[in-house]
Amino acid sequence: DAKTTQPNSMESNEEEPVHLPCNHSTISGTDYIHWYRQLPSQGPEYVIHGLTSNVNNRMASLAIAEDRKSSTLILHRATLRDAAVYYCILNNYGQNFVFGPGTRLSVLP
Amino acid sequence: NAGVTQTPKFRVLKTGQSMTLLCAQDMNHEYMYWYRQDPGMGLRLIHYSVGEGTTAKGEVPDGYNVSRLKKQNFLLGLESAAPSQTSVYFCASRGLDSGARETQYFGPGTRLLVL
Repeated sequence: DAKTTQPNSMESNEEEPVHLPCNHSTISGTDYIHWYRQLPSQGPEYVIHGLTSNVNNRMASLAIAEDRKSSTLILHRATLRDAAVYYCILNNYGQNFVFGPGTRLSVLP
Repeated sequence: NAGVTQTPKFRVLKTGQSMTLLCAQDMNHEYMYWYRQDPGMGLRLIHYSVGEGTTAKGEVPDGYNVSRLKKQNFLLGLESAAPSQTSVYFCASRGLDSGARETQYFGPGTRLLVL
């Protein structure tokens, strides 16, 4: 399985943008980049995913480097409810997801 | 549409006891998964199923068994619980969401304490 590398933790101030990085230098051409997050005492939830182009949805934006060896999850205005562990996962269709330790995001009021 | 539900939410077992965790999904998904999550760690895959009547081993299958007799249910069994199985167990199903994106949906988790 292709691996991802994320910082263990990050801090942000409320209502400011947050950029969560993910390195995946061994990504294959057919690997999708998925982001999930896990709020305290809950199961993970889907945030966003993409293949090559940048993606936007109501929760976040995903910026993918041109060589696809890294990506960044962007929360445009962090709220206290965005405090969670964020997982960056590479996945090919039909393959199992592999969850690493993720990045613990703290949002300061 | 309840999504993915898990029963029970919390359980305490003594070493050597057995129990079954139940996962149910109402989204007609083919794929279902059981994960465990230890404190400060990511999720590790125990077993999974790609359809009714099928099961397969994940990363950490030892000490667990599973069954998928009905498409909507995925059962995780512990035949003889050990303290090392103290963990939070998450069930998930996988399918296409309303935007045709392949997505995993997770249940709320079962906290298991083995004494």
